[in-house]
Amino acid sequence: KAGVTQTPRYLIKTRGQQVTLSCSPISGHRSVSWYQQTPGQGLQFLFEYFSETQRNKGNFPGRFSGRQFSNSRSEMNVSTLELGDSALYLCASSQVQGDTQYFGPGTRLTVL
Amino acid sequence: SQQGEEDPQALSIQEGENATMNCSYKTSINNLQWYRQNSGRGLVHLILIRSNEREKHSGRLRVTLDTSKKSSSLLITASRAADTASYFCATDARWGTSYGKLTFGQGTILTVHP
Repeated sequence: KAGVTQTPRYLIKTRGQQVTLSCSPISGHRSVSWYQQTPGQGLQFLFEYFSETQRNKGNFPGRFSGRQFSNSRSEMNVSTLELGDSALYLCASSQVQGDTQYFGPGTRLTVL
Repeated sequence: SQQGEEDPQALSIQEGENATMNCSYKTSINNLQWYRQNSGRGLVHLILIRSNEREKHSGRLRVTLDTSKKSSSLLITASRAADTASYFCATDARWGTSYGKLTFGQGTILTVHP
C-alpha cells in the first residue's frame, strides 16, 4: 500500500495570506489527524477527522481549519498567516482509534 | 502542551553500543507509540505497546511499559550510524476520549558515531 502523502512539500507565504495543505491517507484509513511541529512547542495536535466529521480539535485559533472528503482525503487551511505559523505540518492516518498512526512526510511552511 | 517528558534530551554513543531512552506521561492511556524522525522529515512508526502489555520487541528494538509509574523505555541494541535521529514517544488516550490525538514528548536526539 502507498503511504500517507502530503502536498505540497514546501511552501513560502507572506503574512496575511492563506494556505491550504493536502493529505491523502493510506487506502482504507478513515481517520486523519493533523499536527504542527515547531522547535519551540514540539509536536502539537491540530484536529482529527473521521468520515468527514471533525471529532477532535487541539488548542489552536480559529484561523486553523480543516475538512475531510468522502474519499478520506483531508485538507487543512490556515488563514491570515502569522510568522509564528512557520512550521512543519504533519498529517497521519489510521484505521480506527487506538491503532497505529502513520505519518506523511510533512509540509514545510515558511511565513515571511 | 506536551504530556510527557523524555530523558535524556540528547544521547551520544558509539556504533555497536546500546541506546536507552525513557518517556514519562501523566494520564491514563490506551497505548504508547514510539516514532523516529530524521532531520525534520516525517515520523516513522517504530512500535506500539498497549496499556495491557509490559514489553514488546521488534528487531533490535525493545520497549517496556510500566503503567503504574506512567513510564516507558525504548532500547535500541547494537546501534548503527543510521539510527541517528530524534526519537519521540506518543500516548494515545483511553478509548472514547480524545479521538485521533497523540500527545508527544519533546524527544530524544540520538547520535551514533561510526
